[in-house]
This record gives sequence, structure tokens and C-alpha cells, in this order.
Amino acid sequence: GIQVEQSPPDLILQEGANSTLRCNFSDSVNNLQWFHQNPWGQLINLFYIPSGTKQNGRLSATTVATERYSLLYISSSQTTDSGVYFCAVGGTSYGKLTFGQGTILTVHP
Amino acid sequence: DAGVTQSPTHLIKTRGQHVTLRCSPISGHKSVSWYQQVLGQGPQFIFQYYEKEERGRGNFPDRFSARQFPNYSSELNVNALLLGDSALYLCASSSGQGTYGYTFGSGTRLTVV
Repeated sequence: GIQVEQSPPDLILQEGANSTLRCNFSDSVNNLQWFHQNPWGQLINLFYIPSGTKQNGRLSATTVATERYSLLYISSSQTTDSGVYFCAVGGTSYGKLTFGQGTILTVHP
Repeated sequence: DAGVTQSPTHLIKTRGQHVTLRCSPISGHKSVSWYQQVLGQGPQFIFQYYEKEERGRGNFPDRFSARQFPNYSSELNVNALLLGDSALYLCASSSGQGTYGYTFGSGTRLTVV
């Protein structure tokens, strides 16, 4: 099956700093999503981005499908950005998502 | 519009017991998937149902089963519970399968003692 690697595993920032999270995957995909998991376990969909670039406020994402990676950019980070960020990819005709191990982001005031 | 709803939110069971978890997808969504997330790891795929048929199964034992009803809601059943089944169980819904984004519910936290 598809392998998904996320880096870095942990990231500690001061409020206001910018950051880049990376997701590498081992095969071609037809689905790629970035999620933020809050402390209560809720997975919040940030981007559906199997290719191209999208922006939503302080967040943006880019997927280069031919090179099998995706990047999530967080600008002007806030304490509420803290949590675990997951990249999940799908490469089959049905809906299985394979998740990476996540990046734990901690933003200090 | 209501999002993906799961019930119950928390559950404590004893080893060997059976458990049923429930999920209602977003209105109009015909695909429901189930995932298991143990502490410190990413979610692992268990099942996907689309139009009431099983379309995919992950690497889980036969103690795990699921079904989807005519109204597209779904149940996940786990028999003969083991301590290792303790996890957050997440349900996701989508309007299609494969090339569509998935929306997740808040999950059911199962503790097996």
C-alpha cells in the first residue's frame, strides 16, 4: 500500500511565526487531504488538494503530484493552531485514506 | 446542516463484550468510512461502505463488521473485545468514493477494561 511520511514530527513555535509542514507519499494518488486534530479528537478538514495550490486565510497548501509531496504553510501562527496535523492520501478507486503519523504543533504565546 | 454525527461519544466495555457504534453521514452523502485511531498514531482504515455495499476493508480481524442502512447511516460492530481495541473510532462521510473529500465526525472513544 501507499506509504505516507510527514515531517517534522514535532514543531514548537512562538506566536506569530511561520511554518511549513511536509507530506511525502510513495505512489500516485487521487485524493489528498490535510486535517487538523484538536485536543478533543475532532479531525477538521483543512484542504482537499490532490494537486495544485489552495489558500484559506493564514493557511495554504501545495501538492506536486508528479513529485509525490505536499506542503502545508501556516503563517502568523496563533495558539489556537496547536494540535496534530495529518496528511491523508487515497490511491484506490474506493475511499480508503492512508494517514501519515502526523506533526505535533505547539504554539506558545 | 448537521455534520457527521457519531454516538455514543464515550463508552466503557469489559473484555469479551460486544459493542455497536453508530454514524450518521452528512445529508446527501452516500459513502461512510470507519477508522480506528490508537493513542499517538494516525487513523487506520477499517471499512468503507458506498450505496449500502462494502467497497473496501482494511487489515482488521473478522471480529470487526459493519453495515450501511437505506438512509446511509452506518453501524460498526466489534465482537469479543480485547484491551487493544481501546481507541478513538472515527466515521467519515463523502458524497462519492475515491476522488472526493471526506468529512469526519467527532468520534467515539472506546475504553476496554
